[in-house]
Amino acid sequence: AQSVTQPDIHITVSEGASLELRCNYSYGATPYLFWYVQSPGQGLQLLLKYFSGDTLVQGIKGFEAEFKRSQSSFNLRKPSVHWSDAAEYFCAVARSGSARQLTFGSGTQLTVLP
Amino acid sequence: GAVVSQHPSRVICKSGTSVKIECRSLDFQATTMFWYRQFPKQSLMLMATSNEGSKATYEQGVEKDKFLINHASLTLSTLTVTSAHPEDSSFYICSASGTYSGNTEAFFGQGTRLTVV
Repeated sequence: AQSVTQPDIHITVSEGASLELRCNYSYGATPYLFWYVQSPGQGLQLLLKYFSGDTLVQGIKGFEAEFKRSQSSFNLRKPSVHWSDAAEYFCAVARSGSARQLTFGSGTQLTVLP
Repeated sequence: GAVVSQHPSRVICKSGTSVKIECRSLDFQATTMFWYRQFPKQSLMLMATSNEGSKATYEQGVEKDKFLINHASLTLSTLTVTSAHPEDSSFYICSASGTYSGNTEAFFGQGTRLTVV
């Protein structure tokens, strides 16, 4: 069964600083990987996804993620964080080769300092 | 495109009553819908998968009689929390997959905050 680990429960960065959120997955085949963001009390917004092809994926709001098969990782990055980026971030992997049924990581709470 | 709408966004109900949550695909036909549950400050856990016209498939540990799922049309799935208790208070999110993405991807609703008092 697939699983997703987000090692960092909470990360604090200053506005304008760079950001990297870690995600490691466990899956037997080529995974479908996602990053979502959730603001308090809100639903999920898809930031980016990886299905195949170029391992560096560009998403919305200036985010990018890199798929590294050798490290089973799909880390999310942003070169300069904005105060509005403060939220909960979830990494997810799709089950059984389908991109529809997702297993989520435990999430990383991002705090942005002024 | 690929808009999934959940209703209501928030609901408060009394203990012992039932509450229904709707999940609609607005601009595509959703052959499959998924229901997730999120406890405060925790991740999302898949509860069940429903295919249009079929019985839902529940994840291990999810009570079928407690969480009734109906997917009677290609644009609507409902989750009914029966005889709700305070421990059922949670954030429920649906996702839908179907004709928009060639059935290869699911799109999320905005979630429903259920509070049982």
